[in-house]
Amino acid sequence: GAGVSQSPSNKVTEKGKDVELRCDPISGHTALYWYRQSLGQGLEFLIYFQGNSAPDKSGLPSDRFSAERTGGSVSTLTIQRTQQEDSAVYLCASSYTPGESQYFGPGTRLLVL
Amino acid sequence: AQSVAQPEDQVNVAEGNPLTVKCTYSVSGNPYLFWYVQYPNRGLQFLLKYITGDNLVKGSYGFEAEFNKSQTSFHLKKPSALVSDSALYFCAVIPGYSSASKIIFGSGTRLSIRP
Repeated sequence: GAGVSQSPSNKVTEKGKDVELRCDPISGHTALYWYRQSLGQGLEFLIYFQGNSAPDKSGLPSDRFSAERTGGSVSTLTIQRTQQEDSAVYLCASSYTPGESQYFGPGTRLLVL
Repeated sequence: AQSVAQPEDQVNVAEGNPLTVKCTYSVSGNPYLFWYVQYPNRGLQFLLKYITGDNLVKGSYGFEAEFNKSQTSFHLKKPSALVSDSALYFCAVIPGYSSASKIIFGSGTRLSIRP
């Protein structure tokens, strides 16, 4: 009966390195979102997967950011050539359908030195 | 553009007093409306939602929210605040539901309850 899980929980990296963040949604949930939250502030939408539809990438801040969702389940968010301004908590959420309430993972806290 | 607004960055209330956290929206179609809460050092949690039916929705921890279609609002309320209610609250909306609909979050309101 696990909820949404994310790994790693914390990641420290050097500027210019690539990082990969993982999200395991709740089994059977068709909708999956990635958000970014800085210093306990608001949620910045990054990308949205819904079933087999093409993802909504409208929130990705630059082409250094990409995400995929394999087999309609696990998703990975990749940040290439990280910059200090990428430091934030990256949150993943899933829901059974888009109209249902979302379940959030604990987040990955990323620090770029 | 579809949007949701939380006009107050911070709300301060004394313990035992009623509290209101405001939310207004501008979307097409009949919206689905949500409130989420983020306690310090904890993940975001679902609090309550309005889909259809009774305009007054009751949720977790004694919170409730009223859907007002004419004012396009969905304010969060609680009759008597607790210090433990201090947290960051997010209003969210799914506009005119379809399989492609994407949830839109407000900017958040920090609620502080003083003893």
